Amino acid sequence: DVKVTQSSRYLVKRTGEKVFLECVQDMDHENMFWYRQDPGLGLRLIYFSYDVKMKEKGDIPEGYSVSREKKERFSLILESASTNQTSMYLCASSGGGSGANVLTFGAGSRLTVL
Amino acid sequence: AQTVTQSQPEMSVQEAETVTLSCTYDTSESDYYLFWYKQPPSRQMILVIRQEAYKQQNATENRFSVNFQKAAKSFSLKISDSQLGDAAMYFCAYRSAWNNDMRFGAGTRLTVKP
Repeated sequence: DVKVTQSSRYLVKRTGEKVFLECVQDMDHENMFWYRQDPGLGLRLIYFSYDVKMKEKGDIPEGYSVSREKKERFSLILESASTNQTSMYLCASSGGGSGANVLTFGAGSRLTVL
Repeated sequence: AQTVTQSQPEMSVQEAETVTLSCTYDTSESDYYLFWYKQPPSRQMILVIRQEAYKQQNATENRFSVNFQKAAKSFSLKISDSQLGDAAMYFCAYRSAWNNDMRFGAGTRLTVKP
């Protein structure tokens, strides 16, 4: 089974702190994604990466950056956390090629910014 | 940009009965893929069913089936013989055939009553 592992299930940070959310997948997938999930808004794409060191902005990239130095790892960085970034963050991956490839999700990281 | 609309924030169904979750989408593309994802209370998002837009036949997976109406841009999910384990958030998603951008609806919370 494809496995996507998010390093932290729950985090509590203070406003202004730098936050790292780590995601690792073990199936050699080319594509990796970071979504933000909020009630009533569904999932919104923050960033995605289709190859090592490659990244593309999603719908809500402001306040976030990403890093993909290795194929299996995709990190989401909040340079200076703010209270409006309190949310559930979901990492996902998919193989390359056909657009029919489905996303495999991690368990999520719930971030609270105080 | 493509949008996905789930007009039912919450639904409930009696165990063993059938329920239909609605989804509409807006796109100008002719080639795309549609998905239903399930997110149980443990938060791991999993794929329920998918449909290729070029296929006229509705996809089925055991107790789960879809009603895909391409002209109406409608993609509903029918769950037959509902089970307690079907209780979850259900997300409808759209993915272009030409890129990795997957769009999600706001979700429908399904409750199954024993």
